[in-house]
Amino acid sequence: DGGITQSPKYLFRKEGQNVTLSCEQNLNHDAMYWYRQDPGQGLRLIYYSQIVNDFQKGDIAEGYSVSREKKESFPLTVTSAQKNPTAFYLCASSMSSPVQPQHFGDGTRLSIL
Amino acid sequence: SQQGEEDPQALSIQEGENATMNCSYKTSINNLQWYRQNSGRGLVHLILIRSNEREKHSGRLRVTLDTSKKSSSLLITASRAADTASYFCATAGTTSGTYKYIFGTGTRLKVLA
Repeated sequence: DGGITQSPKYLFRKEGQNVTLSCEQNLNHDAMYWYRQDPGQGLRLIYYSQIVNDFQKGDIAEGYSVSREKKESFPLTVTSAQKNPTAFYLCASSMSSPVQPQHFGDGTRLSIL
Repeated sequence: SQQGEEDPQALSIQEGENATMNCSYKTSINNLQWYRQNSGRGLVHLILIRSNEREKHSGRLRVTLDTSKKSSSLLITASRAADTASYFCATAGTTSGTYKYIFGTGTRLKVLA
């Protein structure tokens, strides 16, 4: 079955630590996205990538970094510069056309120890 | 960020009743999409309506779009307990040649059995 896999489901970060969230898709989608969702809130775009080896900052990129070395993978690193990282992180993918819907993974919940 | 606004923020109805939720947005769009999110899960695409369409149906879902008012509504008919979830609208458009999706703040629907 095609889909998007995010791992881990739960992640804990210590002060000063960088952590990396995994996102893999086998839908052959060109575009991938990372969103942050805070309790009771909508989704805010962190980074997106329309094609391999290229990505752009979203609305809240500070304190985060990404890479897109393979079409299937778009990992997100939450750096120690992100002072309020506790949130639910969602990865999505889509065909590179605004007429196509996004497909989402089941998220990673990040908390601070 | 130019998140859309959804109204109401929360809605509680009895099973069998209809549920209506509204979405307003600020920018010009290519299309508008509605998604559903069960607690602690990723978003699932429900329906897409293009900017040149006024109404669309899919099963028990009916979506309308009024581009002059920059608003959309989602109607769920004959609701079921399993419809309990958060519902988000997302507008899709191009900015500087790239496609971006802007999500609303969501409506939390609770259907009582």
